[in-house]
This record gives sequence, C-alpha cells and structure tokens, in this order.
Amino acid sequence: GAGVSQSPSNKVTEKGKDVELRCDPISGHTALYWYRQSLGQGLEFLIYFQGNSAPDKSGLPSDRFSAERTGGSVSTLTIQRTQQEDSAVYLCASSFFFKEQFFGPGTRLTVL
Amino acid sequence: KNEVEQSPQNLTAQEGEFITINCSYSVGISALHWLQQHPGGGIVSLFMLSSGKKKHGRLIATINIQEKHSSLHITASHPRDSAVYICAVRSNAGGTSYGKLTFGQGTILTVHP
Repeated sequence: GAGVSQSPSNKVTEKGKDVELRCDPISGHTALYWYRQSLGQGLEFLIYFQGNSAPDKSGLPSDRFSAERTGGSVSTLTIQRTQQEDSAVYLCASSFFFKEQFFGPGTRLTVL
Repeated sequence: KNEVEQSPQNLTAQEGEFITINCSYSVGISALHWLQQHPGGGIVSLFMLSSGKKKHGRLIATINIQEKHSSLHITASHPRDSAVYICAVRSNAGGTSYGKLTFGQGTILTVHP
C-alpha cells in the first residue's frame, strides 16, 4: 500500500515569502506528526494531530508556523515570512493511534 | 541536560562485529522508539517498545524502565547497516502532549568491510 507522501520534495524560496508543505498520511492512520531536521541537528518535534482532538502545537518555534489537518487526513504546514533559519528538512509521519510511526520522505526547504 | 541522551555519538566497526548503541532518558515514558536514517534517505522505524526485548533479524532492542535505559544491538554487522540510529521517547504525561516524541541526537554508525 501507499506510504506517507509529502510535497514538494524540494522548495527554494526567498526570505519573507510564505510556504506551504503538504503531507498525505497513510489511509486510516489517526495520528499525524510534523518534525524538522536542520542541517547537522537532530529531529525536532513541531506539532501532532490525533483524531479530532486538539493538536499539540508545543513544538512550533514561532507564530509564523501553523498547521492544519483537513478531514482527518491531509495536513498542511504553513510557514509565513520565511527566515533563513527555517531552512531544514520537514518530515511528516503518521500512525494508527500511538503505534509505530511511518515517516514520509520529507520536504527540503531552502530559504535564500 | 537533554531529556534523551545517546551514546556513542559516532561508532565505527568492522563487518561482523557486534554493535551496541545506548539510550538513556530522564522522563517517564509510555514508549521508546528506535529509528534508522540512511545517508540521504528517509527515516524508518525499527522498534517501538515499552518493556522487555524485541528482535527483528539481526537487530535486538531492549529496555529497562526502572533504569530509564534502552539498548539497540546489531549482531554480525554489515556495511549496509551504516546509518544514523535515533532513539526517541514518548512521554507518559497526559493531555495533548501524550503523542509527542522527544529525540536523541542520534548515533552515526559506520561499518567497514
């Protein structure tokens, strides 16, 4: 079956522009997670959604970052007024409740 | 001090050697994950465990909840095992933080033929 997909795979943008990153989780998975991996850094939790519960936004680094999950499926991570320090690989994962997480291939974001 | 500490940070081995990567954590957890990331590649979940021991092929993961410690072992290591191995814990705190994972910095493993 299909795994977690993310688009675009690469995104180059200019400082100050807004970007949207998309995640399509595995069908039937109830939980969806966004992580960030900066160059030479470890994985960093951003936000997660579980069913219809309020999302845990505690990892979002600033109010320029937001995410939504529509219909309990597809999710979009939006970064407004991008800064150079936002450059990173943004990873999405999904799971059935709190079982094993399956990761997407990531979106590499470069802010010039 | 990070909530999740891995050791060693870098590990070099010869093909066939037995490898151990350690993970210590300081918070109460409901589960611990071991992940693998090949250079330029995606992240794959190897194990999720909350007690005892799990085995998959040449990989073995153990956890000691009382000591807040987990180990990942690779038997008969092979160059294709070269990757970054990441430990992550899920807190047992309630509320919306229940699903949040906290990650170790990763262990870079290189296995030479």
